[in-house]
Amino acid sequence: ELKVEQNPLFLSMQEGKNYTIYCNYSTTSDRLYWYRQDPGKSLESLFVLLSNGAVKQEGRLMASLDTKARLSTLHITAAVHDLSATYFCAVDKGSGSRLTFGEGTQLTVNP
Amino acid sequence: EPEVTQTPSHQVTQMGQEVILRCVPISNHLYFYWYRQILGQKVEFLVSFYNNEISEKSEIFDDQFSVERPDGSNFTLKIRSTKLEDSAMYFCATPRASTDTQYFGPGTRLTVL
Repeated sequence: ELKVEQNPLFLSMQEGKNYTIYCNYSTTSDRLYWYRQDPGKSLESLFVLLSNGAVKQEGRLMASLDTKARLSTLHITAAVHDLSATYFCAVDKGSGSRLTFGEGTQLTVNP
Repeated sequence: EPEVTQTPSHQVTQMGQEVILRCVPISNHLYFYWYRQILGQKVEFLVSFYNNEISEKSEIFDDQFSVERPDGSNFTLKIRSTKLEDSAMYFCATPRASTDTQYFGPGTRLTVL
């Protein structure tokens, strides 16, 4: 059974600070996804990482994938309040297969 | 631009009643997925549907659940006899053309009383 674990589950940080969210998964996969969810809303796709060493950046967020360590990171640079949300990582086993999600990291950025 | 829309946005029902949740694609899709998210918890896979057949289902997707594509466009999730623990957000998802990224619809909030 594929398991996906995120840490931390809750993160409160000040504006302007940097931090990293970690996502570990239990079985071999080269495909990892990051989503953002605002309260009461749907999931918004942020990044898809499809190979070992993949790195994607969008604004203050940067995601990377290490398939050998079965680890992905989501790095936040100089956080701003607008980044407050819950961030989920998810893994699948190939094209068309289900997504298995982590528990989510609830990020709060304080002024 | 969303790939799918969902109706209703909120459904309130009594325990034991049947509910039908609908997913309407913006354009032709072969793959559809249903997920649910109990309030404050992670997103859980229910079932995937490819080319008008179930391709994969989870242990959550028991005999109380069914999926259909009744008219070739809408994609429905039916819960035959709702339980209190079925209260959750239900999301439909589909991959955008030429990518494997699943894009999620706005969701239906199901409340079972």
